[in-house]
Amino acid sequence: NAGVTQTPKFQVLKTGQSMTLQCAQDMNHEYMSWYRQDPGMGLRLIHYSVGAGITDQGEVPNGYNVSRSTTEDFPLRLLSAAPSQTSVYFCASSSSGSPYNEQFFGPGTRLTVL
Amino acid sequence: ILNVEQSPQSLHVQEGDSTNFTCSFPSSNFYALHWYRWETAKSPEALFVMTLNGDEKKKGRISATLNTKEGYSYLYIKGSQPEDSATYLCARNTGSARQLTFGSGTQLTVLP
Repeated sequence: NAGVTQTPKFQVLKTGQSMTLQCAQDMNHEYMSWYRQDPGMGLRLIHYSVGAGITDQGEVPNGYNVSRSTTEDFPLRLLSAAPSQTSVYFCASSSSGSPYNEQFFGPGTRLTVL
Repeated sequence: ILNVEQSPQSLHVQEGDSTNFTCSFPSSNFYALHWYRWETAKSPEALFVMTLNGDEKKKGRISATLNTKEGYSYLYIKGSQPEDSATYLCARNTGSARQLTFGSGTQLTVLP
């Protein structure tokens, strides 16, 4: 049981490049989400999904796309990277049942945009 | 209070000291309050999820209380150890319940 996995762990992009951050969970969790963490700020929600085929925007969705074709995977796409997207990105999941269940976080992806 | 606020921002204590920090949040439309522990180079890990006013939860030397009417939660650590050094995050459920709004965290350093 690997929990929540993220790849890559580190990435450097040039402005304007696109890339996909991968997130997968093997706990059969319905709810998955993406956060970014910037110095001095809390984790901010980018996008979330309550199940396969359903996604919605969080607090800071601009510049990012998501899709959820399977329960296990929830990739985050940067369409045209900008220096403001330099951050640490965390994927998280939680089980169905109570909406207040704890969220399980992946190890994070540290992204630098030059 | 419009957002989730945590204080202090950072804290240094000596090994063996007890300490506590605060999470403040809007008291209206309350669903649940989460505490997470985040060690450097690791993922945040859940400590507590609290839903009821007056809730008190405990895990070993760490405990938390919740006051939903006035919009605050306290996290207590008794007899701090160096391995307690971490950033402690609180988060409030918002919107369609599963979404979390996080505070910026309290960074605790326990000196041996």
